[in-house]
Amino acid sequence: DAKTTQPNSMESNEEEPVHLPCNHSTISGTDYIHWYRQLPSQGPEYVIHGLTSNVNNRMASLAIAEDRKSSTLILHRATLRDAAVYYCIRAQGAQKLVFGQGTRLTINP
Amino acid sequence: GAGVSQSPSNKVTEKGKDVELRCDPISGHTALYWYRQRLGQGLEFLIYFQGNSAPDKSGLPSDRFSAERTGESVSTLTIQRTQQEDSAVYLCASSLDPGMWQPQHFGDGTRLSIL
Repeated sequence: DAKTTQPNSMESNEEEPVHLPCNHSTISGTDYIHWYRQLPSQGPEYVIHGLTSNVNNRMASLAIAEDRKSSTLILHRATLRDAAVYYCIRAQGAQKLVFGQGTRLTINP
Repeated sequence: GAGVSQSPSNKVTEKGKDVELRCDPISGHTALYWYRQRLGQGLEFLIYFQGNSAPDKSGLPSDRFSAERTGESVSTLTIQRTQQEDSAVYLCASSLDPGMWQPQHFGDGTRLSIL
């Protein structure tokens, strides 16, 4: 049971920001929120993770709701190479990531 | 640097045959994971190694599946008496240290097709 809920698909335009939502209403206090993405015919790629505070790295930003029941992955300026399936995962530590169906992101030129 | 390497990249075999899938993790990574991804689905956890030991085998679907790791490096996933439902992409990942939070680095998988 992945225990996260994401939209099946989203679409955006190149060079525009993208906000990918995730609900994790039953998250416990020690569960991290992880995001991975998977490009076609490749293994998943780590994007970002967080616990309580908003996080930024070179790939994306992660905004976590104050009650931690939801989070949003933000791609600040989408490129065609960002087209992928994005997985929101809750996990304790790095063991046994439980992947759901993810959100298939399409980027229009 | 070198990432996680899996071989073969593709494997086609007849139902009932045994198959071995290999994973070479990133050098120095103590944790190694196997996942399975059926067509159009998310990843299913199979097994996790810390060093050469497997503290969590909870995802192995049946006793036809086994895995080992040697030298805290290479791992082999073996499927005996393959069935058509075993057809999937088998993905391996490694991480520096599971005791602390570390991202998992994935290979590109072995696509297994059972005829």
